Amino acid sequence: IAGITQAPTSQILAAGRRMTLRCTQDMRHNAMYWYRQDLGLGLRLIHYSNTAGTTGKGEVPDGYSVSRANTDDFPLTLASAVPSQTSVYFCASSALGTDTDTQYFGPGTRLTVL
Amino acid sequence: KNQVEQSPQSLIILEGKNCTLQCNYTVSPFSNLRWYKQDTGRGPVSLTIMTFSENTKSNGRYTATLDADTKQSSLHITASQLSDSASYICVVPDTGRRALTFGSGTRLQVQP
Repeated sequence: IAGITQAPTSQILAAGRRMTLRCTQDMRHNAMYWYRQDLGLGLRLIHYSNTAGTTGKGEVPDGYSVSRANTDDFPLTLASAVPSQTSVYFCASSALGTDTDTQYFGPGTRLTVL
Repeated sequence: KNQVEQSPQSLIILEGKNCTLQCNYTVSPFSNLRWYKQDTGRGPVSLTIMTFSENTKSNGRYTATLDADTKQSSLHITASQLSDSASYICVVPDTGRRALTFGSGTRLQVQP
C-alpha cells in the first residue's frame, strides 16, 4: 500500500507556464487537501475536497485550481505560474474530513518558479 | 485571527537527553490539538491527537500535554534518539474556517 503519492518530486518552471501537480491516494479516503509550506510559515491550505465531485477554497486559493473527478485523484493546477508560487506543496487525505480525523500527507512536490 | 505559536523555533540537544516543545494557540472554538513530526524532505506524520477532555497522551517516547484553560500544549520527548531530529508541528483545527491552523514548527536536532 503506497498511501499518498505525489508527482513530480520537484520541478523548475518558467513564470507564465501552466503546471499540474498530481496526487493519488489508495486508502479510499473521502477527503483530500492541498497545502503549501513556505520557510518560516506553517502549512497553509490551498484547496480541499470533502468527497469526490466537490471542492472548496482554503486559506490561499488564488492562482490555483483543483478537480476531484474520482476518490483517488486530486490534481492541483497552476494556470499561469508566478514566482510567489515557489514553495513545497503537500497533498493530504483523511477518511471522513472531520475535525478529529487524522490527515495523512504525501511526500511533497518542491516547485520553483523562475 | 486564530493562531498557533510554537517555541522554541529551533533546539539542539544531545542524544539521550529529554526535551520539551511548547505550543500556544488562540483558535476558538477548540475541538482538538495535534502534534505532527516532519522529517526533512518528507510530509508531516501524525504523533498524537488530543481532545479538550484529555490532559496527557503518550506515543512511545513522545508525551503530549494539553491545558485547554491556558490554551497551551507541550510535547515532551524522552531519551532522545538521532532519529528524533525533525520539525515538530502543532496543529489546531479552526472549525469556523473548516481548516487546520498549523504552527511554524520547532526544528529539533539531536546530536551524538
